[in-house]
Amino acid sequence: DAGVTQSPTHLIKTRGQQVTLRCSPKSGHDTVSWYQQALGQGPQFIFQYYEEEERQRGNFPDRFSGHQFPNYSSELNVNALLLGDSALYLCASSPGQGFREQYFGPGTRLTVT
Amino acid sequence: AQSVTQLGSHVSVSEGALVLLRCNYSSSVPPYLFWYVQYPNQGLQLLLKYTSAATLVKGINGFEAEFKKSETSFHLTKPSAHMSDAAEYFCAVSDPGAGSYQLTFGKGTKLSVIP
Repeated sequence: DAGVTQSPTHLIKTRGQQVTLRCSPKSGHDTVSWYQQALGQGPQFIFQYYEEEERQRGNFPDRFSGHQFPNYSSELNVNALLLGDSALYLCASSPGQGFREQYFGPGTRLTVT
Repeated sequence: AQSVTQLGSHVSVSEGALVLLRCNYSSSVPPYLFWYVQYPNQGLQLLLKYTSAATLVKGINGFEAEFKKSETSFHLTKPSAHMSDAAEYFCAVSDPGAGSYQLTFGKGTKLSVIP
């Protein structure tokens, strides 16, 4: 049973560019959450998708947007990249509408130069 | 708003010694509480969770944690440290009763195990 998978593993972008990160949830899970983990910090919640809708959003600017597809996979898009966007981006999945523990993928390391 | 404080950004213990990682939370409603472990260059792995059932929760790899409402604490313990326990540990809280599906994490505690 495959767990949560994310692609790419690493990414280097230049300030002002746009980036798309991808996530496939654990089998049987239909809810996907995204977190940003800056170096030396705990993960911070970006947003959560359920039934292809953004259900909840953290304190992140509109430059951060997402999408969930009918197969429950998800994308995180970041526009107009800033140096401060350099971080590990973690995807987590969980089953069902109610809250359940979240299972995390290995993350995508984004470096903005 | 919910929040988590982890006391001690770095804890060192000798192999075979007791591991104690501290977590205090702030929440307006009875929360769900979690401990996750992160090995270098990896994602987060769930160690254990408290979801309003038994206050003493047992997790994987010999870890356990006790929910103490009066102290707003959820400290993580392991009787005997192993070298493979060296990693970063994160405490997290959520308030599903308040309609919040997000996890709020502490800043993490890096555990070093000395041979």
